Amino acid sequence: AQTVTQSQPEMSVQEAETVTLSCTYDTSESDYYLFWYKQPPSRQMILVIRQEAYKQQNATENRFSVNFQKAAKSFSLKISDSQLGDAAMYFCAYRSAEGAQKLVFGQGTRLTINP
Amino acid sequence: DTEVTQTPKHLVMGMTNKKSLKCEQHMGHRAMYWYKQKAKKPPELMFVYSYEKLSINESVPSRFSPECPNSSLLNLHLHALQPEDSALYLCASSQAVSYTQYFGPGTRLTVL
Repeated sequence: AQTVTQSQPEMSVQEAETVTLSCTYDTSESDYYLFWYKQPPSRQMILVIRQEAYKQQNATENRFSVNFQKAAKSFSLKISDSQLGDAAMYFCAYRSAEGAQKLVFGQGTRLTINP
Repeated sequence: DTEVTQTPKHLVMGMTNKKSLKCEQHMGHRAMYWYKQKAKKPPELMFVYSYEKLSINESVPSRFSPECPNSSLLNLHLHALQPEDSALYLCASSQAVSYTQYFGPGTRLTVL
């Protein structure tokens, strides 16, 4: 079974600075998808970024980018120019490319932005 | 537009009540999901519907009964719940089961 580990329960960063959230995963599959979701206090899970395992190029969405290291099974999220609205719980998630439709989530990292 | 709507936002019910949660999407998605999320924990998958047919039931107790009347609507019928069922219930949808899931805002359920 696949597992996802987020080793940082809490992180904080100064507004306008850069922060990196860590995620590692364990799988024997070669084809899969990885996601970062954000859950602010409003509770809605919002997709931040998605990475296909077969793509070597790291995904980027505006101020959000990932460092995908397939051999190391690492998938970190970098947030540049942090804004107050980035404060949220961030979940890393894994999904197999075949068969199961289940998202496997990490335990989450709570990110605080200091003004 | 990636909007999934859920009603109600909050629900308080007694252990003998019967209530329903509703989830709706108009994106033409053919897969819909129910998740349960306890405080400070990640969401846990409960059910998956694909093309209006139940494809995954994660061994959820029978006091939770899902229903997918059409491709846009997903219900979760609740009966004889326990206080430990109090949680945030999230609905999600995707174009198909192999596509990215988009979540609704959730229903905060409290069972007294």
